[in-house]
Order: sequence, then structure tokens, then C-alpha cells
Amino acid sequence: DSGVTQTPKHLITATGQRVTLRCSPRSGDLSVYWYQQSLDQGLQFLIQYYNGEERAKGNILERFSAQQFPDLHSELNLSSLELGDSALYFCASRDSGNSPLHFGNGTRLTVT
Amino acid sequence: AQSVTQPDIHITVSEGASLELRCNYSYGATPYLFWYVQSPGQGLQLLLKYFSGDTLVQGIKGFEAEFKRSQSSFNLRKPSVHWSDAAEYFCAVGSPSGGYNKLIFGAGTRLAVHP
Repeated sequence: DSGVTQTPKHLITATGQRVTLRCSPRSGDLSVYWYQQSLDQGLQFLIQYYNGEERAKGNILERFSAQQFPDLHSELNLSSLELGDSALYFCASRDSGNSPLHFGNGTRLTVT
Repeated sequence: AQSVTQPDIHITVSEGASLELRCNYSYGATPYLFWYVQSPGQGLQLLLKYFSGDTLVQGIKGFEAEFKRSQSSFNLRKPSVHWSDAAEYFCAVGSPSGGYNKLIFGAGTRLAVHP
């Protein structure tokens, strides 16, 4: 158990809809990272937050947004969903320095 | 451009046999190197990492990896595979200056273990 909790585990929704994925990082970890894993793109970095502030953006679509709350949990919001957004979405956290990323078990999103 | 290549998409070995998973990287600076394992329905678990120093790195579950700068490789090895090692393995590269948001993952190698 990595200590990173993601909910829900599975999500099935229709095109055009909006969903929110939730992540609770390991206790004490200030950084949260979101990754998308799909068959064609592999594991892609989306966005990073550190102590409530956005730190870095990767290949994140404009339809996607995220935030990190004062209690350090994070939410990834996906809107105007398309079939191609179907993927596993991982959250990872770390504390500082050279500590490694710890991944949650992911949320599997299926857009129909 | 920075990239990570895992040449083998699928590998099948017999239980008890040795294993080597290949990873080649292209990176402008001295890289941080990682191997992660993903079991079905699970997140990625860190097996081992290389930052500096001894180029032979020991990890969890009996895995080790060797950093070879001249070959731009960071191959993962295990002397005797167990059935529970069946999973997908990801090599990743990052930079001390770029931080973990610059962590680039390979496409993964799926390992099957025959009894």
C-alpha cells in the first residue's frame, strides 16, 4: 500500500460529460502529480501541485483542470469528455528532495 | 529530445529462470533513473532508483539494475524469477534540475512467467 488514495476506482460516463477524480496523498507529502495512462500514449505527466500551488504542466488538455486543497488532497476535473479520454488516471505524491514518487492505484475512466 | 525506450513489449520466462529487461534512454544531462512495476489493477511501485554513485543498484523483491553511461542503458535484472513477478515494468528517467515533473516513462515491458 503506497499510502496514496484515489477515488473512485472506476468511472463510466458519456461523451460531453464532466467528472472529478480525487486523490489523497501520503501523509505529509506536499507534492501531488497527475498522470494519464493510455494504450496509445503510455504514461503521460499532466500536472503537478505543491502545497496548493500549481508547479508544472505537462500534456494536459484545456478541458482538464486540477486543484490542490488546503488539506493537500487534489482533484482532477475532466470536462467535455471525449472517447479518447478513456484511460487510467494516476495520482502520485512525494515529499521533498530526492524522495521518489508514490503512486495510487488509479481511476479507470471509460467514456462511452 | 529526451526519451526512454524499452525495446521489448512482451517477455515470457520460466519460473526460476533469470531475467533482464532492457531500458535505453536519451537525455542531455546526468539522469535520475528508475524502475517501476505495475501489477494488474495496481498503481506503480518503485523497484529501485539510481541517482549517483555505484552504478549497480539493488532494489526490492530481489531486483537489481546497472547504469551504463557509455551505452545509455539501465537494464533491470533478477537472477531467479518467481511467478509473482508477472507484471508490467516501466523504466523512467528524470533530471535533478527538472524535478519529477520531467519524469519520462518508457512504454513498458509486460512480463509473463510460465510455471
